[in-house]
Amino acid sequence: SQTIHQWPATLVQPVGSPLSLECTVEGTSNPNLYWYRQAAGRGLQLLFYSVGIGQISSEVPQNLSASRPQDRQFILSSKKLLLSDSGFYLCAWIDGTGGVEQYFGPGTRLTVT
Amino acid sequence: DQQVKQNSPSLSVQEGRISILNCDYTNSMFDYFLWYKKYPAEGPTFLISISSIKDKNEDGRFTVFLNKSAKHLSLHIVPSQPGDSAVYFCAAHGGTSYGKLTFGQGTILTVHP
Repeated sequence: SQTIHQWPATLVQPVGSPLSLECTVEGTSNPNLYWYRQAAGRGLQLLFYSVGIGQISSEVPQNLSASRPQDRQFILSSKKLLLSDSGFYLCAWIDGTGGVEQYFGPGTRLTVT
Repeated sequence: DQQVKQNSPSLSVQEGRISILNCDYTNSMFDYFLWYKKYPAEGPTFLISISSIKDKNEDGRFTVFLNKSAKHLSLHIVPSQPGDSAVYFCAAHGGTSYGKLTFGQGTILTVHP
C-alpha cells in the first residue's frame, strides 16, 4: 500500500533563516506530487506541483521554491523565511495514471518568529 | 478569483441528524468534484467524489449531490456522529492540467452529542 511521509512535524524558525521540508512517498512509482499551504483560518493553497523528476511548476509567486531530486521525494525550501510563511504545509500525491483523488501527508506546522 | 467557494464557515448539528455542507463553483470546465475531511494538525483525508456526468454518489452515510446547472454541490452526512466533527473541504478537478485540484475555504462541522 502507498504511504506518504512528511518531516518535520513541527518547526519554529526565526525570520531570515532557511527552510527545508521533505516529503517522500512509498509504494508507488512516478506519482504527481503537490505542495499546499493552509494559513490560519484559510483553505488549501496550491504552491507547487511536479509530474516528474526535476519538473516543478509554481502556482503562486512567493518566497519558496521546490525541488524533486528523486521520483518519490519532494522538497520545499526557502533561503530566507518571512513571517507570512507561517502555516501548515501539506504534501500530496496522485498516481500518474489519471486518477484524480489526491492523498495527503500528515503535514508540517511551521511557525516563523 | 475564487473558483470554488464554501460560503458557510461553520455548521452545528445535533447527533443523529443530517449534516448538509454546500459548495459552489464557477468554472464549467471542472469535471470531477471531491470532498475531504480534515482534523486539526492532520492532513486531509479523501471522503467521496463525483464525476460531472453524474448527479449523485453515495458511500455509506455520505452522499454527494451535483447540480451542474446551478454549479452547486453538496455533501450529506446521515446520521451525523460526533466523530464527524472536522473541517470539510470541497475540491474541483479540471480546467487545468496535471491533476491539480482547486479547494474551497472549508466548513467547520460540529456535531453535538
